[in-house]
Amino acid sequence: AQKVTQAQTEISVVEKEDVTLDCVYETRDTTYYLFWYKQPPSGELVFLIRRNSFDEQNEISGRYSWNFQKSTSSFNFTITASQVVDSAVYFCALSRVDSGNTGKLIFGQGTTLQVKP
Amino acid sequence: DAMVIQNPRYQVTQFGKPVTLSCSQTLNHNVMYWYQQKSSQAPKLLFHYYDKDFNNEADTPDNFQSRRPNTSFCFLDIRSPGLGDAAMYLCATSRATRTVPYGYTFGSGTRLTVV
Repeated sequence: AQKVTQAQTEISVVEKEDVTLDCVYETRDTTYYLFWYKQPPSGELVFLIRRNSFDEQNEISGRYSWNFQKSTSSFNFTITASQVVDSAVYFCALSRVDSGNTGKLIFGQGTTLQVKP
Repeated sequence: DAMVIQNPRYQVTQFGKPVTLSCSQTLNHNVMYWYQQKSSQAPKLLFHYYDKDFNNEADTPDNFQSRRPNTSFCFLDIRSPGLGDAAMYLCATSRATRTVPYGYTFGSGTRLTVV
């Protein structure tokens, strides 16, 4: 069975603090993809990153960075020097690679991040 | 230049009265998805189209149907809305192949209220 767990329901930080959002996944597949999405208060989910299971290199994009560790089945997301505009719900998601999947995502429950000024 | 457009943004319907939500895209993506998201929950996949092929999730109620008349448009029909169907409905598109997923582009969603 495939499952994504985001144990942190809500996180509150003060602006400029660094914050890490945890994501742990379960799958028996050897090939799979992991994603992060951001859902600001406006409601529209925004794609942040896609990572396949063979690429364990960490990735940095501006203030965002992702740490993929296959050994612990984790794909954590860090925001450096957080800003009020980072306040949103963040979802981690898993997608299988098989002929019938056609890109379907299994979402975690989401982590609500509140960044206070 | 919005790429995935959902109409209406807010929809109020009466209990049991059929309602249709629409989604259009300018990305020419081959896959279109409908997700239901209830308050403080993760999005839940209802069904998706891979090109013209319709794929229903096993636990999607029969009350929910979908149509995709062409690449650009997809509709979600709720035949007899119940109070439990009040939710945000999200349309997403992707250029996924049958085996390789890509990031979705989501619309702004339609918030459905059932009275």
